[in-house]
Amino acid sequence: DAGITQSPRYKITETGRQVTLMCHQTWSHSYMFWYRQDLGHGLRLIYYSAAADITDKGEVPDGYVVSRSKTENFPLTLESATRSQTSVYFCASRTGQTSNQPQHFGDGTRLSIL
Amino acid sequence: AQSVTQLGSHVSVSEGALVLLRCNYSSSVPPYLFWYVQYPNQGLQLLLKYTSAATLVKGINGFEAEFKKSETSFHLTKPSAHMSDAAEYFCAVSADTGRRALTFGSGTRLQVQP
Repeated sequence: DAGITQSPRYKITETGRQVTLMCHQTWSHSYMFWYRQDLGHGLRLIYYSAAADITDKGEVPDGYVVSRSKTENFPLTLESATRSQTSVYFCASRTGQTSNQPQHFGDGTRLSIL
Repeated sequence: AQSVTQLGSHVSVSEGALVLLRCNYSSSVPPYLFWYVQYPNQGLQLLLKYTSAATLVKGINGFEAEFKKSETSFHLTKPSAHMSDAAEYFCAVSADTGRRALTFGSGTRLQVQP
């Protein structure tokens, strides 16, 4: 089915471990985004990508790494997880060069770091 | 840079009553404005968007919002609340400058009492 899928849906890991969250979209959207959702903060932008091999930092990028070798995939890696990175992570994508197009969101990954 | 303020982290209404969720934005360039809804354990779903056409925007599920430039507001309304409207609602702004990503408000949780 067409859409945007995130995996895993739930993840528990320990501090200091590396963890990768996957995001895959089937629309061939040029733009992709990673947000984290924390109580009282809404969603905050971690990283975004305008096209394959083009990525840039968002509002809260520290401790995260992204790559985009293919248009449809945009993985997010926590190189050495910390408890402050416990959150719900959402991937989104949209088409077009103008920001008036809506973003489409995955169902999220709930990440707990012990 | 853009920002969004949602007044009221929790709003409670009776079934059949008017729903009013407040959103004020700040943007140095013409904004695009969005309302998203989030049901438990799900991603965000677009309710409606303003992209500089009509100032009164109609969305899904009977919701509408009015863009008021003089008040820098984009409040969300629904004439008659239904139990199924209980969810978290996010107002977001973007523009054709900078990161071209969404900047979200902190969200408003809507409760609907029977």
